[in-house]
Amino acid sequence: DVKVTQSSRYLVKRTGEKVFLECVQDMDHENMFWYRQDPGLGLRLIYFSYDVKMKEKGDIPEGYSVSREKKERFSLILESASTNQTSMYLCASIQGAAGNTIYFGEGSWLTVV
Amino acid sequence: QKEVEQNSGPLSVPEGAIASLNCTYSDRGSQSFFWYRQYSGKSPELIMFIYSNGDKEDGRFTAQLNKASQYVSLLIRDSQPSDSATYLCAVDSGTYKYIFGTGTRLKVLA
Repeated sequence: DVKVTQSSRYLVKRTGEKVFLECVQDMDHENMFWYRQDPGLGLRLIYFSYDVKMKEKGDIPEGYSVSREKKERFSLILESASTNQTSMYLCASIQGAAGNTIYFGEGSWLTVV
Repeated sequence: QKEVEQNSGPLSVPEGAIASLNCTYSDRGSQSFFWYRQYSGKSPELIMFIYSNGDKEDGRFTAQLNKASQYVSLLIRDSQPSDSATYLCAVDSGTYKYIFGTGTRLKVLA
């Protein structure tokens, strides 16, 4: 069965802290994504990666960076957390060509105070 | 700006009725279309995908695609209270940048 695991489910961080959100998939998928989901705004793409060490900006990359050192792991980094980054963050992956099904992790709820 | 539009709802239907959820998209080059269900506090889970014009059925669910009119819909027959959730429409134009609608909240009344 497909598995995308986000290790941190609920986090509370202070403004200015550096935050790491980790995501691991066990399906050998090439493509991985980070979204954030906010009420009324839906899912918005932050970054995606189509291969190890490769990344591309999504629609809202400001304030975020990513790292993909291994195929199975895709990390989202908030260099200096701000209150407007309070949100639910969803990691996802797909195999192969665009148009295939996206599989989501369980989500990471981040509160920045 | 590529967009996917959904009525936010809530759409309320009685148990056993047919729920009809609609989605329109702006990019004529869109190739793949997905419906996800999301329970409150949970991540989205795939219900169906459709690539070709027409209907696709899977159990109580039917996806309908009309590329000429740029809409995709999801019908849920014999709606159950457990179907109460937010339904997300997602569209892919072949670029990996899947565009999601903001979702329609469905309430099935027992």
